[in-house]
Amino acid sequence: DTGVSQNPRHKITKRGQNVTFRCDPISEHNRLYWYRQTLGQGPEFLTYFQNEAQLEKSRLLSDRFSAERPKGSFSTLEIQRTEQGDSAMYLCASSPRDRQETQYFGPGTRLLVL
Amino acid sequence: QKEVEQNSGPLSVPEGAIASLNCTYSDRGSQSFFWYRQYSGKSPELIMFIYSNGDKEDGRFTAQLNKASQYVSLLIRDSQPSDSATYLCAVNNRYSTLTFGKGTMLLVSP
Repeated sequence: DTGVSQNPRHKITKRGQNVTFRCDPISEHNRLYWYRQTLGQGPEFLTYFQNEAQLEKSRLLSDRFSAERPKGSFSTLEIQRTEQGDSAMYLCASSPRDRQETQYFGPGTRLLVL
Repeated sequence: QKEVEQNSGPLSVPEGAIASLNCTYSDRGSQSFFWYRQYSGKSPELIMFIYSNGDKEDGRFTAQLNKASQYVSLLIRDSQPSDSATYLCAVNNRYSTLTFGKGTMLLVSP
């Protein structure tokens, strides 16, 4: 399977703990995006990378959130000092060079903060 | 605030009928328009994209775009129970990221 992969698929944590999610994009896709989706809402953009450069961050991405894509391949999204409001599905997507607006999503990581 | 509006539904159609899903957007500078299907508990799956005014057909799906009216629609012909899902309309913004609507739930009854 050469689709976008995300790990873990589910994460339950206690408020105040740090969590880290990983995304592996489709091979040779140079752009990688992070979105957050809550129940009844569409995905909301958080940040995106072109190769290893982080080009855009949403105002939703508070200073407790950080994302990296160190070698332009996989990416990590870390949430520090989690809050109950961080409970959501975190989605990763990637897009190819020749059609950069066309984004393909991974299965998501569902986070529950207790 | 750039917005994408969709009727949340549910839109209920009988099996074999045509389902019509609609979307409006506020940013006149948007160039690319996408429809994603999302089953409950799953991630969005890209089913159609359209860049130019008019219709684009792919199997049972037809996307329609009217930039003057800032309106995008998705028609599903011969609807099947397996089409029951939430359909998300998405519009590109200036950084090639996507702004999504809240989605329309489609229910196809046998």
